[in-house]
Amino acid sequence: DTAVSQTPKYLVTQMGNDKSIKCEQNLGHDTMYWYKQDSKKFLKIMFSYNNKELIINETVPNRFSPKSPDKAHLNLHINSLELGDSAVYFCASSLLRLAASYNEQFFGPGTRLTVL
Amino acid sequence: KQEVTQIPAALSVPEGENLVLNCSFTDSAIYNLQWFRQDPGKGLTSLLLIQSSQREQTSGRLNASLDKSSGRSTLYIAASQPGDSATYLCAGSQGAQKLVFGQGTRLTINP
Repeated sequence: DTAVSQTPKYLVTQMGNDKSIKCEQNLGHDTMYWYKQDSKKFLKIMFSYNNKELIINETVPNRFSPKSPDKAHLNLHINSLELGDSAVYFCASSLLRLAASYNEQFFGPGTRLTVL
Repeated sequence: KQEVTQIPAALSVPEGENLVLNCSFTDSAIYNLQWFRQDPGKGLTSLLLIQSSQREQTSGRLNASLDKSSGRSTLYIAASQPGDSATYLCAGSQGAQKLVFGQGTRLTINP
């Protein structure tokens, strides 16, 4: 299936630990994103990468470090996890077309992170 | 700074009714607007994308409109079905690729 996939689907961990969430897309897109959905269901963008280069960084704490080894992957590493990091994290991808100002984004199923 | 608001926060209607979900945005320089559906515990499914040069898009029983001058978009659902029950999110693009989301409308269709 062509899609955006994330692993793991659920992640439960203790405060202070370091964890990673992986994202892969096989849609041939060149731009990938990380969004955070908090307990009130509000979705906010965190990062965006185009061709492995960071293009959007929304005042996210330095404990969050995205890594894009290639165009098809964008992983999110979180250091020293805090209670407030508990949320659902969504990965998305799109294809940047120079002739258009915006391109449809496709979302992964989400990773529910719970910090105890 | 773009802000997106959705009204109502929740809506419950009997099966078969036509309904309208509202979305408003503060910056008329919006590039495009995208409507999503989110089922409980699931990811987001893209329903319709309206580019800034367009006024509406249709897909099956869904019709979305965009009025940049008034800062509004609506999602019209015809002949609603229980399977339409979900949270509907609208998102406006600020800049070339950044999506700004509303808080969503939780829709329940009662059989």
